[in-house]
Amino acid sequence: GAVVSQHPSWVICKSGTSVKIECRSLDFQATTMFWYRQFPKQSLMLMATSNEGSKATYEQGVEKDKFLINHASLTLSTLTVTSAHPEDSSFYICSAVRGLNTEAFFGQGTRLTVV
Amino acid sequence: GQQVMQIPQYQHVQEGEDFTTYCNSSTTLSNIQWYKQRPGGHPVFLIQLVKSGEVKKQKRLTFQFGEAKKNSSLHITATQTTDVGTYFCRANFGNEKLTFGTGTRLTIIP
Repeated sequence: GAVVSQHPSWVICKSGTSVKIECRSLDFQATTMFWYRQFPKQSLMLMATSNEGSKATYEQGVEKDKFLINHASLTLSTLTVTSAHPEDSSFYICSAVRGLNTEAFFGQGTRLTVV
Repeated sequence: GQQVMQIPQYQHVQEGEDFTTYCNSSTTLSNIQWYKQRPGGHPVFLIQLVKSGEVKKQKRLTFQFGEAKKNSSLHITATQTTDVGTYFCRANFGNEKLTFGTGTRLTIIP
């Protein structure tokens, strides 16, 4: 299967700082990338959908100014958590697809802890 | 709304027993996918169902798509400890909207 690399796998940051998470499709061009947040023992909550070269589409309740998404190329999307607070601590995971009706390939996830 | 309900939320079974998880939608789906997430890991694609009434098998796993394309199930026969994890369905409503079910966490009692 295709490979999606997400970096970093874990990060600890101080309250008020910003953290950037990268998601790369290593061996295919991803038309669309998705960003999810997962709380312990819960499902994947879609935060936003991003297509290369256009603005991300955010789900209701997700602050776009807090969670900045950039999809600069067909193989790279980034999520920046700005002015992080302890309540932003979570597991963030990206996925990439070749097309909307194809399987999603997931990154390894990033565990963010804000202290 | 375009939501998909997945049940049960948790399932504890004795090793060797069968397991089934269900996903239900109030609207017709274009297709549905199933994923497995091991503890501490990321979701991994298992299968995609597209046709009405479709049944697919992968060894001890049987996937079904309802005739009306509104529900789907994943059945595991004779569970093993390696089946532990959370199983998610991912519903495609056909309007570029894809939604994950809430997941079913399977634990196995050896």
